[in-house]
Amino acid sequence: NAGVTQTPKFQVLKTGQSMTLQCAQDMNHEYMSWYRQDPGMGLRLIHYSVGAGITDQGEVPNGYNVSRSTTEDFPLRLLSAAPSQTSVYFCASSSGGTGAAFFGQGTRLTVV
Amino acid sequence: TQLLEQSPQFLSIQEGENLTVYCNSSSVFSSLQWYRQEPGEGPVLLVTVVTGGEVKKLKRLTFQFGDARKDSSLHITAAQPGDTGLYLCANRGNNRLAFGKGNQVVVIP
Repeated sequence: NAGVTQTPKFQVLKTGQSMTLQCAQDMNHEYMSWYRQDPGMGLRLIHYSVGAGITDQGEVPNGYNVSRSTTEDFPLRLLSAAPSQTSVYFCASSSGGTGAAFFGQGTRLTVV
Repeated sequence: TQLLEQSPQFLSIQEGENLTVYCNSSSVFSSLQWYRQEPGEGPVLLVTVVTGGEVKKLKRLTFQFGDARKDSSLHITAAQPGDTGLYLCANRGNNRLAFGKGNQVVVIP
C-alpha cells in the first residue's frame, strides 16, 4: 500500500545547485501533479501530466522541469536553485474526473 | 484557472463548539472536493460534491454544495481537537486540480 512516494523528505541546497525530486505512484493513475506550498498561499500547481509522455505547465512553472517517461514516475527538476524556491513540495496522483488526488508526504526544500 | 476563495483564513474555537468555513468562486464548479491537511502530511480527500444543492455528511462534518454550484460550505458540529487542520477546497478544470488557500482551523481542548 505505498500510494505516492516522494523522496527525499528534506533537502538543503545552495543557490545555483540543481537537483531532482522523485515521485512514484503504484495506483496506475494517469494524472500526476507537482505543487508547492508556502505559508498563506495554499497549494500552487507547478507542472502536471495527464499520461506518459504528456506534460504541461501549471501556475508557477518557472525554474522547474518535468518529464513523464512512465505512468509510475514523475520527477521534478530544479535547474538552478534560488532562495525563492524554498518551499514544501507535494506530488499527487489521481485517476482524473472526480477521482481523489492522493498526495505524497512532501519534500521540505531549503535553498540557502 | 478558476479562482477559489476560502474564508475565514484562520479560525480558532473551543472544543465542543460548532464552526462553518466557506469556499466560493465567481464561476460555476463542475465538481468540488474538500481535503484536510495535518501538519507534516499531504492533504487527504474528505468528500466530493457534484450536484447543486447536494449535502454530504461525514460523521460530524457536513458539506453543502450551493444550488448554483458556485459555493460550498463545511460545517463541523461539536468540534474536537482532532479536527484541527488546514481545510482545502479544490476544483478540477482543464485537467488541472486547483486549490484554494485553505481554512486553518484550530480546536482548543
